[in-house]
Amino acid sequence: DQQVKQNSPSLSVQEGRISILNCDYTNSMFDYFLWYKKYPAEGPTFLISISSIKDKNEDGRFTVFLNKSAKHLSLHIVPSQPGDSAVYFCAASTPQGGSEKLVFGKGMKLTVNP
Amino acid sequence: DSGVTQTPKHLITATGQRVTLRCSPRSGDLSVYWYQQSLDQGLQFLIQYYNGEERAKGNILERFSAQQFPDLHSELNLSSLELGDSALYFCASSPGSLENTEAFFGQGTRLTVV
Repeated sequence: DQQVKQNSPSLSVQEGRISILNCDYTNSMFDYFLWYKKYPAEGPTFLISISSIKDKNEDGRFTVFLNKSAKHLSLHIVPSQPGDSAVYFCAASTPQGGSEKLVFGKGMKLTVNP
Repeated sequence: DSGVTQTPKHLITATGQRVTLRCSPRSGDLSVYWYQQSLDQGLQFLIQYYNGEERAKGNILERFSAQQFPDLHSELNLSSLELGDSALYFCASSPGSLENTEAFFGQGTRLTVV
């Protein structure tokens, strides 16, 4: 049972355009959502997060949107740069006292073409 | 550099053997998490330790075990290895629980079972 789903395995965009990465979840107990970026031969690196009490969080070129009713979140990268080419993982966690773990999606490979 | 150190980076061993993967968390972090990433799979949670005690367990096989030592480093022991155990194994750490916070990942150990 996959609780966090990234249904598109890959995305290719042109440099300077917007990249939109999507993520769906099934567990309504999730209340904190994160995006990680992973380059080959490296560990995942934290990118941005959002609490369930918010619907948007912005950090520079990166914005995460959360739609709780649809159990959907998305990561927007504007403008996209070639250095953003990586695998992006969506993750979620439950409140303290619940599961002490991050649940990850399978990842999406983003390619930004110069 | 996340501050989480994993050794070795690469490991090649034969079926039926036993290996030990080591993780040193970020300075001050009490929680250590182990994840497995197989081909085309997301990060699968294995187990979490907090200040020396097991806190949460995921889909960890009985052939696998882990522990966290008084100096907070952790080891993941994999025994009776099978070809299907070939994967990337990541360690992550966080100060405490994952409530509204992220985990920091090491670079991983690539295990190849031949």
